[in-house]
Amino acid sequence: GIQVEQSPPDLILQEGANSTLRCNFSDSVNNLQWFHQNPWGQLINLFYIPSGTKQNGRLSATTVATERYSLLYISSSQTTDSGVYFCAGGFGNQFYFGTGTSLTVIP
Amino acid sequence: DTGVSQDPRHKITKRGQNVTFRCDPISEHNRLYWYRQTLGQGPEFLTYFQNEAQLEKSRLLSDRFSAERPKGSFSTLEIQRTEQGDSAMYLCAGSFGGKLFFGSGTQLSVL
Repeated sequence: GIQVEQSPPDLILQEGANSTLRCNFSDSVNNLQWFHQNPWGQLINLFYIPSGTKQNGRLSATTVATERYSLLYISSSQTTDSGVYFCAGGFGNQFYFGTGTSLTVIP
Repeated sequence: DTGVSQDPRHKITKRGQNVTFRCDPISEHNRLYWYRQTLGQGPEFLTYFQNEAQLEKSRLLSDRFSAERPKGSFSTLEIQRTEQGDSAMYLCAGSFGGKLFFGSGTQLSVL
């Protein structure tokens, strides 16, 4: 299967700071998504972004499919951004998840 | 609201017992996935349905596991003769337009 590497594994930010999370894939994918898992375990879909750039409020994501990586930008972080961020990619119907980036935003 | 409901939220069982989980996606989710997540790891793919047809199964899905999606609506995941290694969060996801929408999951603890 496809290997998904996420970095950094852990991140601690002061409220208001910006951050960049990265996701690398071992092979080409035609479907790439970013998720936020809150402290209660709920996975929320942030972006469906097989290529290009999308923005949603303080979050934006960029995928460079030819180089097999994606970036998630968080600007002006808030304590509610805390949790684990996962990227998932696949080719066809099976999605492979990384091990996540655990983000803690402190006030 | 992701449009995917899972029941129960928590399940505690003794080793050797059978358990069944249910997933109810909204009708727009023609594709349905089951994943398993253990502490500190990302979700791992178990199986996938296109309407009522089970099209893919992971090697993780041993013969003690069975999943169904009768009539292409709700889905059930049954684990027979549970083992302590089955303890995990079991996640169901519906898919529409290629995007995955997860339920809240069922946390299974096998004692």
